[in-house]
Amino acid sequence: GAVVSQHPSWVICKSGTSVKIECRSLDFQATTMFWYRQFPKQSLMLMATSNEGSKATYEQGVEKDKFLINHASLTLSTLTVTSAHPEDSSFYICSARWLKNEKLFFGSGTQLSVL
Amino acid sequence: GEDVEQSLFLSVREGDSSVINCTYTDSSSTYLYWYKQEPGAGLQLLTYIFSNMDMKQDQRLTVLLNKKDKHLSLRIADTQTGDSAIYFCVVLEGDMRFGAGTRLTVKP
Repeated sequence: GAVVSQHPSWVICKSGTSVKIECRSLDFQATTMFWYRQFPKQSLMLMATSNEGSKATYEQGVEKDKFLINHASLTLSTLTVTSAHPEDSSFYICSARWLKNEKLFFGSGTQLSVL
Repeated sequence: GEDVEQSLFLSVREGDSSVINCTYTDSSSTYLYWYKQEPGAGLQLLTYIFSNMDMKQDQRLTVLLNKKDKHLSLRIADTQTGDSAIYFCVVLEGDMRFGAGTRLTVKP
């Protein structure tokens, strides 16, 4: 299957700093990428959908100024958690899709811990 | 209420079959998926079925779809300890809709 690489796998940062998470599709062009947040023992919560070259569409309740998403190329999307606080600590997962292809491939996730 | 529902826990003995069930609400769903998530990892696509099919088999995995009852199941034959994980039922209804995940525990 297709490969989606997510980096870093885990990050610890101080409160008030910003953290960037990268999501790359390695062997296909990801026209659409999705960002999720997952709390312990819970399902994935969709945060935003980004189409290459367009502004991301955020789900209700997700602060766009807090979670900056950039999808500048067909193989890379980034999520920047700005001025991170302890309540932003979570597992973040990206996924990628080519056009309307039925398959959705996920990155390996990033565990963010904000001290 | 939830659009995609799954039971939260399933425990089986090694070598037995596991059946994980999922119900959904939108009859216009096109594709239905099963993803596996191991601790601290992303989601791995196990298998998927198109809505005009009622069964798909892939080695130890069998997917059954009852479109009339909006019921999807995943059967894992000869379950192994390495199958212990969370299994997500995901339904494509325009957007991807996720179930809460079923935590499968395989006891030796």
